[in-house]
Amino acid sequence: QVQLMESGPGLVQPSETLSLTCTVSGFSLTSYNVHWVRQPPGKGLEWMGVMWSGGSTDYNSALKSRLSISRDTSKNQVFLKMNSLQSEDTTTYYCARDRGWNYFDYWGQGVMVTVSS
Amino acid sequence: DIQMTQSPASLSASLGETVTIECRASEDIYNGLAWYQQKPGKSPQLLIYNANSLHTGVPSRFSGSGSGTQYSLKINSLQSEDVASYFCQQYYDYPFTFGSGTKLEIK
Repeated sequence: QVQLMESGPGLVQPSETLSLTCTVSGFSLTSYNVHWVRQPPGKGLEWMGVMWSGGSTDYNSALKSRLSISRDTSKNQVFLKMNSLQSEDTTTYYCARDRGWNYFDYWGQGVMVTVSS
Repeated sequence: DIQMTQSPASLSASLGETVTIECRASEDIYNGLAWYQQKPGKSPQLLIYNANSLHTGVPSRFSGSGSGTQYSLKINSLQSEDVASYFCQQYYDYPFTFGSGTKLEIK
């Protein structure tokens, strides 16, 4: 069955770089797109960016200067790297699958990241 | 960016009631709208896509409607398991944007 699972550090120092991994199963990264979405505690959702099935990426312009998304199809993994982290980046990060129309039919369980010294 | 204005922010209704949640886009999104349900401590789950298409496995008491800039999610015969937050998302244009959410509680 389709599964996505985020992993990464729970705590990151201010100004440092966040590295997250989304490991997928039940579908191919070369057939489906995978997005990153984040959600501050008790707040709404923010789309961050996407790894398209063809290997290209798009980013939210608000985050583009700090964000990089890549993948390793042999390991069924999509990676997110975001630099210059600040307290406002304290949030839950989700990866989600897109069936090809930019809405999300499967989500990971999310990983909570706290930015603090 | 397309702004999604969702209302109400919170809603309290009785079991068996019908509730409606609205989303207004800052420009025409041509039915590029999805609705998600998020239960406490869980990830969002897709309910509706293309404004009015029910996702596989979603109970038929959920329905979506609208066009242009105005969209709504209706839940008929409210059940206890419908207690959750609900979000709309436009996917017509980048960056994809979400409404601020509606928290639904049972009276």
